[in-house]
Amino acid sequence: EVQLVESGGGLVQPGGSLRLSCAASGFTFSSYWMTWVRQAPGKGLEWVANIKQDGSKKNYVDSVKGRFTISRDNAKNSLYLQMNSLSAEDTAMYHCVRAAYSDEGFDHWGQGTLVTVSS
Amino acid sequence: QSVLTQPPSVSAAPGQKVTISCSGSSSNIGNNYVSWYQQLPGTVPKLLIYENNKRPSGIPDRFSGSKSGTSATLGITGLQTGDEADYYCGTSDSSLSAGVFGGGTKLTVL
Repeated sequence: EVQLVESGGGLVQPGGSLRLSCAASGFTFSSYWMTWVRQAPGKGLEWVANIKQDGSKKNYVDSVKGRFTISRDNAKNSLYLQMNSLSAEDTAMYHCVRAAYSDEGFDHWGQGTLVTVSS
Repeated sequence: QSVLTQPPSVSAAPGQKVTISCSGSSSNIGNNYVSWYQQLPGTVPKLLIYENNKRPSGIPDRFSGSKSGTSATLGITGLQTGDEADYYCGTSDSSLSAGVFGGGTKLTVL
């Protein structure tokens, strides 16, 4: 069974940093592009960043470029999101997602980890 | 403002059919596959349709997807109260080098 379990969220002050982790199991992690998707409270889905199977290619939504860094460790079956210079607009549930199909077709979603940016 | 445009809400009676539209451009829907997701209240999104019109195993054939030009459509027939949810379209955007979602459509089954 495919499982994606996020951790690392919490309350952080504006300008602070957090590192999110996603532990993957039940599939060959190194064979898939992986993505972070966030959802602010009461709002829609927002694609944040993705990373190629071997980590050689990464993409980001404009609003996080230069602040967030996506990475992965295939030996540990883990995905990460380093978030710096956080602002209230980054408050959201962050989901780790597996892209199984072409053009960001996401077949498995983690339950998410909540990031709250507030003073 | 989302890159992909969906109607904020749609409604229909039980047993009826409803369609949800998703409008984009040549840099996203026009040249890439579209996926559709269902998000029931308090749950994570669930993949309904991938690559425009394919259903993952376990998704009933009441759900269908189509694409024409820079627009895509999700169809749901035989509506049930359990179909009340938010529905999102998504794809890649070649100009942005990023994934994009629609703003979501809330389906009410009256």
